Amino acid sequence: AQSVTQLDSHVSVSEGTPVLLRCNYSSSYSPSLFWYVQHPNKGLQLLLKYTSAATLVKGINGFEAEFKKSETSFHLTKPSAHMSDAAEYFCVVTSDDKIIFGKGTRLHILP
Amino acid sequence: EAGVAQSPRYKIIEKRQSVAFWCNPISGHATLYWYQQILGQGPKLLIQFQNNGVVDDSQLPKDRFSAERLKGVDSTLKIQPAKLEDSAVYLCASSLEYRGFNYGYTFGSGTRLTVV
Repeated sequence: AQSVTQLDSHVSVSEGTPVLLRCNYSSSYSPSLFWYVQHPNKGLQLLLKYTSAATLVKGINGFEAEFKKSETSFHLTKPSAHMSDAAEYFCVVTSDDKIIFGKGTRLHILP
Repeated sequence: EAGVAQSPRYKIIEKRQSVAFWCNPISGHATLYWYQQILGQGPKLLIQFQNNGVVDDSQLPKDRFSAERLKGVDSTLKIQPAKLEDSAVYLCASSLEYRGFNYGYTFGSGTRLTVV
Protein backbone atom coordinates (compact mmCIF):
# COMPACT_ATOMS: atom_id res chain seq x y z
CA ALA A 1 0.00 0.00 0.00
CA GLN A 2 1.15 3.50 -0.73
CA SER A 3 1.09 6.42 1.66
CA VAL A 4 2.53 9.88 2.05
CA THR A 5 3.20 11.62 5.35
CA GLN A 6 4.00 15.30 5.55
CA LEU A 7 5.44 15.59 9.00
CA ASP A 8 4.51 19.22 9.69
CA SER A 9 1.15 20.83 9.07
CA HIS A 10 2.67 24.32 9.57
CA VAL A 11 6.22 25.63 9.19
CA SER A 12 7.31 29.19 9.95
CA VAL A 13 10.65 30.62 8.85
CA SER A 14 12.08 34.11 8.64
CA GLU A 15 12.67 35.67 5.25
CA GLY A 16 16.18 34.86 4.03
CA THR A 17 16.55 31.70 6.13
CA PRO A 18 16.48 28.10 4.84
CA VAL A 19 13.26 26.19 4.28
CA LEU A 20 12.79 22.48 5.02
CA LEU A 21 9.46 20.76 4.37
CA ARG A 22 9.49 17.09 5.26
CA CYS A 23 7.85 14.21 3.41
CA ASN A 24 8.04 10.48 3.99
CA TYR A 25 6.45 7.91 1.75
CA SER A 26 5.82 4.23 1.47
CA SER A 27 5.33 2.43 -1.81
CA SER A 28 5.45 -1.17 -2.93
CA TYR A 29 6.82 -0.22 -6.32
CA SER A 30 9.28 2.29 -7.68
CA PRO A 31 7.38 5.50 -7.15
CA SER A 32 7.35 8.83 -8.86
CA LEU A 33 7.45 11.66 -6.34
CA PHE A 34 6.33 15.24 -6.73
CA TRP A 35 6.09 18.46 -4.81
CA TYR A 36 3.27 20.85 -5.61
CA VAL A 37 2.60 24.35 -4.33
CA GLN A 38 -0.73 26.05 -3.96
CA HIS A 39 -0.86 29.81 -3.61
CA PRO A 40 -4.03 31.51 -2.36
CA ASN A 41 -6.91 31.25 -4.81
CA LYS A 42 -4.83 29.17 -7.23
CA GLY A 43 -4.74 25.52 -8.28
CA LEU A 44 -1.80 23.23 -7.72
CA GLN A 45 1.45 24.12 -9.45
CA LEU A 46 4.21 21.59 -10.01
CA LEU A 47 7.47 22.51 -8.24
CA LEU A 48 9.57 19.48 -9.09
CA LYS A 49 9.41 15.75 -9.70
CA TYR A 50 11.52 12.64 -9.17
CA THR A 51 11.11 9.80 -11.65
CA SER A 52 14.07 7.46 -10.94
CA ALA A 53 16.77 9.60 -12.51
CA ALA A 54 19.04 11.83 -10.40
CA THR A 55 18.24 11.64 -6.71
CA LEU A 56 18.72 15.39 -6.22
CA VAL A 57 16.01 17.16 -8.13
CA LYS A 58 15.98 20.88 -8.83
CA GLY A 59 12.70 22.65 -9.33
CA ILE A 60 11.35 26.11 -9.95
CA ASN A 61 11.85 29.16 -7.72
CA GLY A 62 15.05 27.78 -6.16
CA PHE A 63 13.46 24.71 -4.58
CA GLU A 64 15.06 21.31 -4.62
CA ALA A 65 14.38 17.89 -3.13
CA GLU A 66 16.47 14.82 -2.49
CA PHE A 67 15.14 11.30 -2.90
CA LYS A 68 16.56 9.06 -0.15
CA LYS A 69 15.42 5.50 -0.66
CA SER A 70 17.00 4.22 2.56
CA GLU A 71 15.05 6.78 4.56
CA THR A 72 11.95 6.71 2.29
CA SER A 73 12.06 10.49 2.32
CA PHE A 74 11.67 13.25 -0.24
CA HIS A 75 12.18 16.46 1.72
CA LEU A 76 11.81 19.84 0.02
CA THR A 77 14.41 22.54 0.67
CA LYS A 78 15.26 26.07 -0.33
CA PRO A 79 18.40 27.93 0.82
CA SER A 80 16.73 31.30 1.36
CA ALA A 81 13.02 31.91 1.89
CA HIS A 82 11.19 34.72 0.14
CA MET A 83 7.89 36.27 1.14
CA SER A 84 6.32 34.97 -2.07
CA ASP A 85 7.02 31.40 -0.91
CA ALA A 86 4.18 31.62 1.61
CA ALA A 87 1.78 28.93 0.39
CA GLU A 88 0.55 25.38 0.92
CA TYR A 89 2.90 22.59 -0.22
CA PHE A 90 1.83 19.07 -1.13
CA CYS A 91 4.01 15.98 -1.44
CA VAL A 92 2.60 13.45 -3.91
CA VAL A 93 3.46 9.86 -4.77
CA THR A 94 2.23 8.08 -7.88
CA SER A 95 2.58 4.51 -9.06
CA ASP A 96 0.70 3.08 -12.03
CA ASP A 97 -2.66 4.79 -11.85
CA LYS A 98 -2.65 5.51 -8.14
CA ILE A 99 -1.97 8.98 -6.83
CA ILE A 100 -1.64 9.80 -3.17
CA PHE A 101 -1.48 13.34 -1.84
CA GLY A 102 -0.02 14.29 1.50
CA LYS A 103 -2.17 16.46 3.76
CA GLY A 104 -0.11 19.53 2.99
CA THR A 105 2.26 21.84 4.86
CA ARG A 106 1.46 25.52 5.27
CA LEU A 107 4.61 27.60 4.95
CA HIS A 108 4.60 30.96 6.73
CA ILE A 109 7.31 33.51 6.01
CA LEU A 110 8.09 35.97 8.80
CA PRO A 111 9.42 39.41 7.84
CA GLU B 1 -18.61 12.01 5.10
CA ALA B 2 -19.05 11.08 1.46
CA GLY B 3 -16.03 11.73 -0.73
CA VAL B 4 -15.74 13.20 -4.19
CA ALA B 5 -17.72 10.99 -6.57
CA GLN B 6 -16.64 10.48 -10.15
CA SER B 7 -18.07 8.42 -12.98
CA PRO B 8 -17.44 6.43 -15.00
CA ARG B 9 -14.47 4.65 -13.45
CA TYR B 10 -13.13 3.47 -16.80
CA LYS B 11 -13.86 4.45 -20.39
CA ILE B 12 -12.46 3.21 -23.67
CA ILE B 13 -13.26 5.11 -26.87
CA GLU B 14 -11.93 5.40 -30.37
CA LYS B 15 -10.13 8.54 -31.48
CA ARG B 16 -12.40 11.26 -32.79
CA GLN B 17 -15.26 10.09 -30.57
CA SER B 18 -16.70 12.19 -27.75
CA VAL B 19 -16.66 11.43 -24.04
CA ALA B 20 -17.96 13.07 -20.87
CA PHE B 21 -16.96 12.66 -17.24
CA TRP B 22 -19.01 13.58 -14.23
CA CYS B 23 -17.95 14.78 -10.78
CA ASN B 24 -19.93 15.42 -7.62
CA PRO B 25 -17.82 17.24 -5.01
CA ILE B 26 -18.09 17.11 -1.25
CA SER B 27 -21.14 18.97 -0.04
CA GLY B 28 -20.29 22.56 0.79
CA HIS B 29 -17.02 22.64 -1.10
CA ALA B 30 -17.15 25.73 -3.28
CA THR B 31 -13.97 25.05 -5.24
CA LEU B 32 -13.82 22.26 -7.81
CA TYR B 33 -10.85 21.21 -9.92
CA TRP B 34 -10.35 18.94 -12.89
CA TYR B 35 -6.86 17.45 -13.34
CA GLN B 36 -5.38 15.34 -16.10
CA GLN B 37 -2.81 12.77 -15.05
CA ILE B 38 -0.89 11.06 -17.84
CA LEU B 39 0.83 7.82 -16.84
CA GLY B 40 4.15 8.53 -15.11
CA GLN B 41 3.44 12.21 -14.66
CA GLY B 42 1.87 14.29 -11.94
CA PRO B 43 -1.59 15.77 -12.28
CA LYS B 44 -1.99 18.83 -14.46
CA LEU B 45 -4.70 21.33 -13.64
CA LEU B 46 -7.21 21.65 -16.48
CA ILE B 47 -9.78 23.94 -14.91
CA GLN B 48 -10.70 25.40 -11.53
CA PHE B 49 -14.21 26.51 -10.58
CA GLN B 50 -15.23 28.72 -7.70
CA ASN B 51 -18.93 27.95 -7.27
CA ASN B 52 -20.12 28.08 -10.90
CA GLY B 53 -17.51 30.53 -12.13
CA VAL B 54 -14.22 29.65 -13.82
CA VAL B 55 -11.13 30.78 -11.89
CA ASP B 56 -8.41 29.23 -14.05
CA ASP B 57 -8.67 27.39 -17.36
CA SER B 58 -5.33 28.42 -18.81
CA GLN B 59 -4.19 24.83 -19.43
CA LEU B 60 -7.48 23.55 -20.82
CA PRO B 61 -7.20 22.69 -24.55
CA LYS B 62 -10.28 24.65 -25.44
CA ASP B 63 -10.45 23.45 -29.03
CA ARG B 64 -11.53 20.03 -27.77
CA PHE B 65 -12.11 20.19 -24.01
CA SER B 66 -15.00 21.87 -22.24
CA ALA B 67 -16.24 21.87 -18.67
CA GLU B 68 -19.20 23.28 -16.85
CA ARG B 69 -20.54 23.56 -13.33
CA LEU B 70 -23.96 25.04 -13.94
CA LYS B 71 -25.41 25.09 -10.42
CA GLY B 72 -22.16 25.36 -8.53
CA VAL B 73 -22.35 21.75 -7.40
CA ASP B 74 -21.56 18.87 -9.74
CA SER B 75 -19.51 19.28 -12.88
CA THR B 76 -18.96 17.64 -16.25
CA LEU B 77 -15.81 17.56 -18.36
CA LYS B 78 -16.17 16.79 -22.04
CA ILE B 79 -13.68 15.92 -24.77
CA GLN B 80 -14.78 16.27 -28.39
CA PRO B 81 -13.15 14.89 -30.47
CA ALA B 82 -10.73 12.71 -28.50
CA LYS B 83 -7.12 12.14 -29.52
CA LEU B 84 -4.77 9.32 -28.61
CA GLU B 85 -2.77 11.64 -26.35
CA ASP B 86 -5.87 12.26 -24.22
CA SER B 87 -5.43 8.81 -22.70
CA ALA B 88 -5.01 9.59 -19.01
CA VAL B 89 -6.68 9.55 -15.63
CA TYR B 90 -9.01 12.51 -15.12
CA LEU B 91 -9.18 13.51 -11.49
CA CYS B 92 -11.75 15.72 -9.87
CA ALA B 93 -11.03 17.43 -6.58
CA SER B 94 -12.89 19.80 -4.32
CA SER B 95 -11.95 22.04 -1.44
CA LEU B 96 -13.33 24.58 0.98
CA GLU B 97 -12.03 28.10 0.76
CA TYR B 98 -11.26 30.14 3.82
CA ARG B 99 -9.40 33.41 3.78
CA GLY B 100 -7.89 32.75 0.39
CA PHE B 101 -6.62 29.25 1.13
CA ASN B 102 -8.23 25.97 0.26
CA TYR B 103 -8.74 23.36 2.95
CA GLY B 104 -9.89 19.81 2.97
CA TYR B 105 -8.46 19.11 -0.46
CA THR B 106 -10.12 15.84 -1.49
CA PHE B 107 -9.62 13.94 -4.69
CA GLY B 108 -12.04 11.56 -6.37
CA SER B 109 -10.94 8.13 -7.57
CA GLY B 110 -10.58 9.37 -11.12
CA THR B 111 -11.77 8.24 -14.52
CA ARG B 112 -9.27 6.27 -16.57
CA LEU B 113 -9.71 7.13 -20.24
CA THR B 114 -8.14 5.03 -22.96
CA VAL B 115 -8.32 6.33 -26.51
CA VAL B 116 -7.61 3.72 -29.19
